[in-house]
Amino acid sequence: GAGVSQSPSNKVTEKGKDVELRCDPISGHTALYWYRQSLGQGLEFLIYFQGNSAPDKSGLPSDRFSAERTGGSVSTLTIQRTQQEDSAVYLCASSFDSYNEQFFGPGTRLTVL
Amino acid sequence: TQLLEQSPQFLSIQEGENLTVYCNSSSVFSSLQWYRQEPGEGPVLLVTVVTGGEVKKLKRLTFQFGDARKDSSLHITAAQPGDTGLYLCAGLGSNDYKLSFGAGTTVTVRA
Repeated sequence: GAGVSQSPSNKVTEKGKDVELRCDPISGHTALYWYRQSLGQGLEFLIYFQGNSAPDKSGLPSDRFSAERTGGSVSTLTIQRTQQEDSAVYLCASSFDSYNEQFFGPGTRLTVL
Repeated sequence: TQLLEQSPQFLSIQEGENLTVYCNSSSVFSSLQWYRQEPGEGPVLLVTVVTGGEVKKLKRLTFQFGDARKDSSLHITAAQPGDTGLYLCAGLGSNDYKLSFGAGTTVTVRA
């Protein structure tokens, strides 16, 4: 079966522009996570979705970041008015439920010029 | 501040040598996971350890969870160039779903 897919794989944008990053989780996985990986840093938790429950947004670094998950499947992470410090690899993961193994997508490398 | 401290940050060894990567914390975890990540790809789970003192072996890889469930180590015997990659440890607290990751150890095995 297909794994977690993310698009685009690379995104270069200018400071101040908005970007949307997409994640297609593994079919049937109810939990979905977004992480950010900066150079030399581990993965930083951003947001978590589980079924129809309210998402855990506690890891979002600012109100310029938002995410939604439509129909319990595809998720979109939106960054408004991008800043250079937003440059990083954004990773999406899904799991069968909250406490099972997380399967990661290949990530989107975001570069803000 | 990293909840999990990994050491060393970089490791470069010759094929056939052994290596150990450490993952330490002041926090207690219900489980600890080790991932391997290659360039342009997401992390792939290698193992999950859940019991204090647990030792798991995966071919040439040996994983150990500390008795107090605060630390872990990954030992690779007779490393091969295919072992090259970024090794990440991640801990899960009790009744938690958010993994806390270490900064990673970049391992390079030279042929």
